[in-house]
Amino acid sequence: TQLLEQSPQFLSIQEGENLTVYCNSSSVFSSLQWYRQEPGEGPVLLVTVVTGGEVKKLKRLTFQFGDARKDSSLHITAAQPGDTGLYLCAGEGSGTYKYIFGTGTRLKVLA
Amino acid sequence: NAGVMQNPRHLVRRRGQEARLRCSPMKGHSHVYWYRQLPEEGLKFMVYLQKENIIDESGMPKERFSAEFPKEGPSILRIQQVVRGDSAAYFCASSPDWGEKLFFGSGTQLSVL
Repeated sequence: TQLLEQSPQFLSIQEGENLTVYCNSSSVFSSLQWYRQEPGEGPVLLVTVVTGGEVKKLKRLTFQFGDARKDSSLHITAAQPGDTGLYLCAGEGSGTYKYIFGTGTRLKVLA
Repeated sequence: NAGVMQNPRHLVRRRGQEARLRCSPMKGHSHVYWYRQLPEEGLKFMVYLQKENIIDESGMPKERFSAEFPKEGPSILRIQQVVRGDSAAYFCASSPDWGEKLFFGSGTQLSVL
């Protein structure tokens, strides 16, 4: 069974601080996606990483896919209250047709 | 271009009743996924359908749960004889093809009394 573990589970920081969220697995994924979900809404895709070692930037967000394609990280620089939400990683299951979601990191940025 | 539409947004059922959750994918999307989310948790895969076909239902309980995506009309997730443990948010996502970006609906919050 392919599992994606995210850490930390909860994170509360002050506006302006930096943070990193991790998504780890013992399985290899052909691609990995990061989503942000706000209360009462569905997840919204932020980025997809495909190549091992790939780094993608989205404004203050930096996403990295591990060399072995088993893990990924999301780094937020100078967090803002608008970054508050549930961050989910999702991997394209090997040999299956389902996207497997991680356990989630709930981020709260205080003004 | 309207997004993925799910209805109802909130559904209250008593134990033993049936729940029907509807999902209209984005225009041009023929792939639909259903996920379930409990409070403070990630999304658990339930079923993946293409038009008129169930491709992967490995995440769906064998009993009481069924899903369909007919040639015409929305995808339906049906839960018969609901129990309190079925209370959760159910999300539908669609994509134009396998491996393409997923677009999620706003979910249906099912509450079983």
